[in-house]
Amino acid sequence: EVQLVESGGGLVQPGGSLRLSCAASGFTFSSYAMNWVRQAPEKGLEWVSRISGSGDTTYHAESVKGRFTISRDNPKNTLYLQMNSLRAEDTAVYYCAREGTHYGDFRPYFDYWGQGSLVTVSS
Amino acid sequence: QSALTQPASVSGSPGQSITISCTGTSSDVGGYNYVSWYQQHPGKAPKLMIYDVSNRPSGVSNRFSGSKSGNTASLTISGLQAEDEADYFCNSYISSSTLYVFGTGTKVTVL
Repeated sequence: EVQLVESGGGLVQPGGSLRLSCAASGFTFSSYAMNWVRQAPEKGLEWVSRISGSGDTTYHAESVKGRFTISRDNPKNTLYLQMNSLRAEDTAVYYCAREGTHYGDFRPYFDYWGQGSLVTVSS
Repeated sequence: QSALTQPASVSGSPGQSITISCTGTSSDVGGYNYVSWYQQHPGKAPKLMIYDVSNRPSGVSNRFSGSKSGNTASLTISGLQAEDEADYFCNSYISSSTLYVFGTGTKVTVL
């Protein structure tokens, strides 16, 4: 059974940093691209970042470019999101989501999601 | 990149069919057959319902179907049931540094 479990969320002051983790199990982690998607309170979904299965290619939304960094540790089956220079508008539930893209076979959709981790940026 | 446009709400009675639209541009919805749809119940993670415009993952009811015409994709729920009451979001792949764009979301109410 595929499982994605996020951790690391919490309350942080504006300008601060936080690192989210997503522990994956139930599938060959290194063979799948992974993404972070966030949802501000009572708002819609926003794609944040994507990393290839090998970790050599990353993409970030314009709203977080230069502040957030996605990475992965394949031997540990863990996805990360390093968030720096946090702003109030970054307050959201952050979901890690597995992309269908498998061993380079391009499948641009999110087939499994974690339960989410709440990040609150406030003084 | 602006969010794809969805109606804020759609409602229907049990047993009826409803359709949710998702309007973008030729750079996203109209440019690729990579539209997906997600169902989200309150306080829960989104769930994939449709991928590649019209394909259903295993385990998703065949009451859910997807289509696309030009720059507008659609999700149809037939035989509406109480458990279908949720928020629905469309998503499209876009070939740029911003890989994906979501729709604004639609709240489905079963009357």
